[in-house]
Amino acid sequence: SQKIEQNSEALNIQEGKTATLTCNYTNYSPAYLQWYRQDPGRGPVFLLLIRENEKEKRKERLKVTFDTTLKQSLFHITASQPADSATYLCALDIYQGGKLIFGQGTELSVKP
Amino acid sequence: SAVISQKPSRDICQRGTSLTIQCQVDSQVTMMFWYRQQPGQSLTLIATANQGSEATYESGFVIDKFPISRPNLTFSTLTVSNLSPEDSSIYLCSGRDRDPYEQYFGPGTRLTVT
Repeated sequence: SQKIEQNSEALNIQEGKTATLTCNYTNYSPAYLQWYRQDPGRGPVFLLLIRENEKEKRKERLKVTFDTTLKQSLFHITASQPADSATYLCALDIYQGGKLIFGQGTELSVKP
Repeated sequence: SAVISQKPSRDICQRGTSLTIQCQVDSQVTMMFWYRQQPGQSLTLIATANQGSEATYESGFVIDKFPISRPNLTFSTLTVSNLSPEDSSIYLCSGRDRDPYEQYFGPGTRLTVT
């Protein structure tokens, strides 16, 4: 069956450390993988997109890796801040038509 | 980027009634989608809203229950019909252009069915 799994447990880290979130998938061949941030009571906000032929993408303190052999993406936030506390969602674009399949999300809490 | 607004932001409806949610994008987008996010869960795609034609529904979602309109490139509505408590959820609209491929989401409509 097709599955997308993110860190099942909430992630608690200290301010200034690097947060690493995992997204694993099975039986999909996504053209793109995207990461979103969702705060309580709000819609998801786009963060980064990585294509199947890209290994790594960076944007400011964010870094995403994409390993299509392992069927895994890692999402890193360096020098984390309490304002980074939110739920982070990975999403697969498997049809290249915009229909996204979302993981269940990982709740990140950054303590001062 | 596109800014997406939804109306209403929340509503409490009685069983058996319907709720229509409006989605407005501040710029033209090629594609618009409707998602559902049930309490404590992730987003599930309901359908792709097609301009001027019938929406394309995902497995498990049907037009009679979730009629969708998209009369132009910046506006869409989702109706949730014959409401039951199981329809209590957050409904989100999103828009996407051809390139780049990121999607922009509205703030969501929180529906509670009593």
